[in-house]
Amino acid sequence: DIQMTQSPTSLSASVGDRVTISCRASQNINTYLNWYQQKPGKAPKLLIYGASSLQTGVPSRFRGSGSGTDFTLTITSLQPDDFATYYCQENYRRPLTFGPGTIVDI
Amino acid sequence: QVQLVESGGGVVQPGQSLRLSCAASGFSFSNYGMHWVRQAPDKGLEWVAVISYDGSIKYYGDSMEGRLTISRDNSKNTLNLQMNSLRAEDTAVYYCAKDQASGLYRGLFDYWGQGSLVVVSS
Repeated sequence: DIQMTQSPTSLSASVGDRVTISCRASQNINTYLNWYQQKPGKAPKLLIYGASSLQTGVPSRFRGSGSGTDFTLTITSLQPDDFATYYCQENYRRPLTFGPGTIVDI
Repeated sequence: QVQLVESGGGVVQPGQSLRLSCAASGFSFSNYGMHWVRQAPDKGLEWVAVISYDGSIKYYGDSMEGRLTISRDNSKNTLNLQMNSLRAEDTAVYYCAKDQASGLYRGLFDYWGQGSLVVVSS
C-alpha cells in the first residue's frame, strides 16, 4: 500500500496568513494526488485534484502543487471559513489512501 | 444538485451484520463509479470500497475485505454496502461518495453524503 504522510499535524494561523501544508507519498504517484477539506461533523469537500487542478466552485486562494512524492497545499490568504482539517489522498493505486490530516486552527 | 443520502446505520453487537444504503440524486447515477469511505471517531479517512458504474467491477480496502459486499441498483439510483462479522474497530461514520469521473472510476471523490454512523458494541 502507498503510505501518505502530512506535515505539520496541526498549525495555528490568523486570518490573512499564507498557509502551507505538505503531503508526501511513500512512492512515486505522479500527480495522482487530491486535497480535501473537512469541518467538524461534516463530510469532506474536494478542493484540489490531480495535484494542482482546482475543483469547480473552490476559491482560487487554494493552490496545489507537486509531483512524484512531494506535494503542497497552499492557502494564499487564510479566511475564517478555512479553519478545518485538510487531508491529502492518492488515487494512483488501490487501496486508495489518505494522509492523516492537518488541522488548521486559529 | 447532487445529493447523496445514507441510511441504515445504527448500533449492532460484534459479529452481527448491517446494510447501509445511499440514495443518489441530481446526476446520472448509472454513469459514475461510487465509493464508501469511513471515518472512525476522531480519526482520519479510510477508503472502504468502490463499485464501477455498471456494477461489474468491485474493489475493497484491506481492513474489511472478505466481510463486505458493495452493490448498486441503477434503476433505483441506490448504492449499498453489506457489512458482515462486524467488529468494534468497524465503528465509524460511513460516507458514500461519488467518483469524479464518468465511466470506470478515477478514485477521487467530488461529492459526499452526510454520513451514517455505525457503532459496534456489546
